[in-house]
Amino acid sequence: DAKTTQPPSMDCAEGRAANLPCNHSTISGNEYVYWYRQIHSQGPQYIIHGLKNNETNEMASLIITEDRKSSTLILPHATLRDTAVYYCIVRAHNTDKLIFGTGTRLQVFP
Amino acid sequence: NAGVTQTPKFRILKIGQSMTLQCTQDMNHNYMYWYRQDPGMGLKLIYYSVGAGITDKGEVPNGYNVSRSTTEDFPLRLELAAPSQTSVYFCASSSGRAGYNSPLHFGNGTRLTVT
Repeated sequence: DAKTTQPPSMDCAEGRAANLPCNHSTISGNEYVYWYRQIHSQGPQYIIHGLKNNETNEMASLIITEDRKSSTLILPHATLRDTAVYYCIVRAHNTDKLIFGTGTRLQVFP
Repeated sequence: NAGVTQTPKFRILKIGQSMTLQCTQDMNHNYMYWYRQDPGMGLKLIYYSVGAGITDKGEVPNGYNVSRSTTEDFPLRLELAAPSQTSVYFCASSSGRAGYNSPLHFGNGTRLTVT
């Protein structure tokens, strides 16, 4: 099954860019990369997704490598409220299932 | 739009009791999902549905049942509660197939304790 690998934790200074990496070396050609975050025990919040082009929205930017084996979520100006667990997710092959891993715990400090 | 609504928010069950976790969405989404999240862990898929009348197992379906009689509702049933089912349960929905340009929308969860 397609799966993702993320560092368990990262720190970022407030106001600086937070760059969260993700490896998805077994991704298939038609599978999107999704990013969600979870603050405390709230429901996961959708951030952004992409297929092969870089994407940007009001929350973040997503950079996907040309071979699609990895991606980076960029929070351009991190704030304390961005402290959360960030999940990079792809679909399990030939299914309708999105499989979550354990994510990256991002701590933004003053 | 209320989005995805889950009830109850909290529940304590005794071992062997049964209960139904309710999930409803008002976005006319065909796809709905149930996940559980144990403390400090990621989300695990329990069951999902691609439309009314169609359900399928996820990663951890044992001990649970689901039904999908309408587009809006996707209840999760625990028949014989066990301590291992203590968890936070999240329901989600999407307009299209998961992973195909259709983000999931999550509810705020049900925190279940089985003692």
